[in-house]
Amino acid sequence: KQEVTQIPAALSVPEGENLVLNCSFTDSAIYNLQWFRQDPGKGLTSLLLIQSSQREQTSGRLNASLDKSSGRSTLYIAASQPGDSATYLCAVGGNQFYFGTGTSLTVIP
Amino acid sequence: DGGITQSPKYLFRKEGQNVTLSCEQNLNHDAMYWYRQDPGQGLRLIYYSQIVNDFQKGDIAEGYSVSREKKESFPLTVTSAQKNPTAFYLCASSIRGFAENNEQFFGPGTRLTVL
Repeated sequence: KQEVTQIPAALSVPEGENLVLNCSFTDSAIYNLQWFRQDPGKGLTSLLLIQSSQREQTSGRLNASLDKSSGRSTLYIAASQPGDSATYLCAVGGNQFYFGTGTSLTVIP
Repeated sequence: DGGITQSPKYLFRKEGQNVTLSCEQNLNHDAMYWYRQDPGQGLRLIYYSQIVNDFQKGDIAEGYSVSREKKESFPLTVTSAQKNPTAFYLCASSIRGFAENNEQFFGPGTRLTVL
């Protein structure tokens, strides 16, 4: 069974800093990998979807990379802002979607 | 305004009661999913449906039931057989089932509390 791990579980950074969130998975036979943002008590908001044949995707200040062979993905956030504070989840798509437990990000003004 | 709606936002259940959570989408997606989220755990798949009138059990289907009579609707019933139903329930949809280029979209969630 696919296992998805996100480290660290929590991260606190000062405003303006660039940061990297990590996602690792155990089975490289995936269709895609999706990054989400979740605010407290809310649903998940899709940030980026990377297909298994792609190496990276970019949207604004966000850049996600995928290395299937090593079972890793990273989400890079440039010039962090207090509004980026949320929990970030990755999900790996194969015979079903498997989710990590998330990284809780706090950006300090 | 396309999207996924879930109702109610908060739901309280007494021991021994069945309750039904609503999920509706107007994205014309074929596939719909129900997840459960508990503190400190990743989302866990309860049921999914890749087409109308068909659905499959996920990892934690015991104590839950679903129906998919219409493309846009996928209600979840939490039965009295579910031993620990207090959780945050999330509904999602995607254009198709588990395949390439398949982005999932989520509703706002329903928080169920057993009294």
